[in-house]
Amino acid sequence: GEDVEQSLFLSVREGDSSVINCTYTDSSSTYLYWYKQEPGAGLQLLTYIFSNMDMKQDQRLTVLLNKKDKHLSLRIADTQTGDSAIYFCAEAQMQGGKLIFGQGTELSVKP
Amino acid sequence: GAGVSQSPSNKVTEKGKDVELRCDPISGHTALYWYRQSLGQGLEFLIYFQGNSAPDKSGLPSDRFSAERTGGSVSTLTIQRTQQEDSAVYLCASSRTYGQPQHFGDGTRLSIL
Repeated sequence: GEDVEQSLFLSVREGDSSVINCTYTDSSSTYLYWYKQEPGAGLQLLTYIFSNMDMKQDQRLTVLLNKKDKHLSLRIADTQTGDSAIYFCAEAQMQGGKLIFGQGTELSVKP
Repeated sequence: GAGVSQSPSNKVTEKGKDVELRCDPISGHTALYWYRQSLGQGLEFLIYFQGNSAPDKSGLPSDRFSAERTGGSVSTLTIQRTQQEDSAVYLCASSRTYGQPQHFGDGTRLSIL
């Protein structure tokens, strides 16, 4: 069945780059997403990449997709304390587009 | 409004009672999704509506759960005879059409006593 895996925790210093990794199993996924969740809030769509792309850059965010290894990563440049949150990777099923989420990676940014 | 709106933001109820959760999607979005977020299970898909097509109910955990979408816009998720394991945050999302990026509301935090 479909499965999305992420590491649970990442700690970085302010100003460093953060890299959050994700692996997925469904090779027919259309889009792959990164969502950010702050305490008590819903999911904020950060960025997404279509499955036929290798890379997407959006300001401080860079998404890399290795379709052969089914590996997705999110790099946050110049990480700030406001980036502290839980980051979810998700794949969209081809039929209907329902999302399958990873467990979330808690990013802690230390000053 | 500009985003997906959910109400109530918090709901506390006694075991055995019925609850209704409401979702107002982004204007013009034809696809609407319900998900549940709980400590033990993470984020799980519940049900999906696309236009006038029959909904995909494959994620509903039991027949106590149902949802409807009236007029292709507002959706209501109903849980009958609530149980403690129903305690979770219920999240609604909408997208322009199926397969397009989904935008989430802030969720309803449901607590069953």
